[in-house]
Amino acid sequence: RKEVEQDPGPFNVPEGATVAFNCTYSNSASQSFFWYRQDCRKEPKLLMSVYSSGNEDGRFTAQLNRASQYISLLIRDSKLSDSATYLCVVNPSNSGYALNFGKGTSLLVTP
Amino acid sequence: DGGITQSPKYLFRKEGQNVTLSCEQNLNHDAMYWYRQDPGQGLRLIYYSQIVNDFQKGDIAEGYSVSREKKESFPLTVTSAQKNPTAFYLCASSHGQGAGELFFGEGSRLTVL
Repeated sequence: RKEVEQDPGPFNVPEGATVAFNCTYSNSASQSFFWYRQDCRKEPKLLMSVYSSGNEDGRFTAQLNRASQYISLLIRDSKLSDSATYLCVVNPSNSGYALNFGKGTSLLVTP
Repeated sequence: DGGITQSPKYLFRKEGQNVTLSCEQNLNHDAMYWYRQDPGQGLRLIYYSQIVNDFQKGDIAEGYSVSREKKESFPLTVTSAQKNPTAFYLCASSHGQGAGELFFGEGSRLTVL
């Protein structure tokens, strides 16, 4: 079983739609979780960290479900500029340096 | 502006040649990393360094070498022993213990002919 699994998509949604991605992780001892955004042929950039209590940043909401070992990302009111690949990233240990990256979920927002 | 600079952005080499990719950061971060990304694949860790003069192998270190003589610099050499070197190489850094937020360079795209 892969460490971090994501549906690769692509998710094609119209502008203004709400879209959600899930990501599952295999190591139940994992400590910290992140969503990164990667534009085509560019470097990944941190979108948001995922906290146990869930967190929201504008149109983006991230949630963690430790019991089921998944994290989610919800994007409301999608914009054309949200089109990108969203990477789920898990750190197995708070003191660890080796992050586990998912392969990413591709989102295309259309006019 | 603080950040990570990778060079070159694009590189073409013949099979059997060693190649060195440069990575410099002025963020004063202790930890630096090298990742490899292949199409449709997640990032895979090649090497990381927590501190100057120390580095650790990641998941796919075979055929690669690194050095960390200065805090700001973490060059990666792709040797002829690496069987499939054509890939997108990303350097990153992070502050403090444990890899929290990673700051990435713009990447180096290596093509071996």
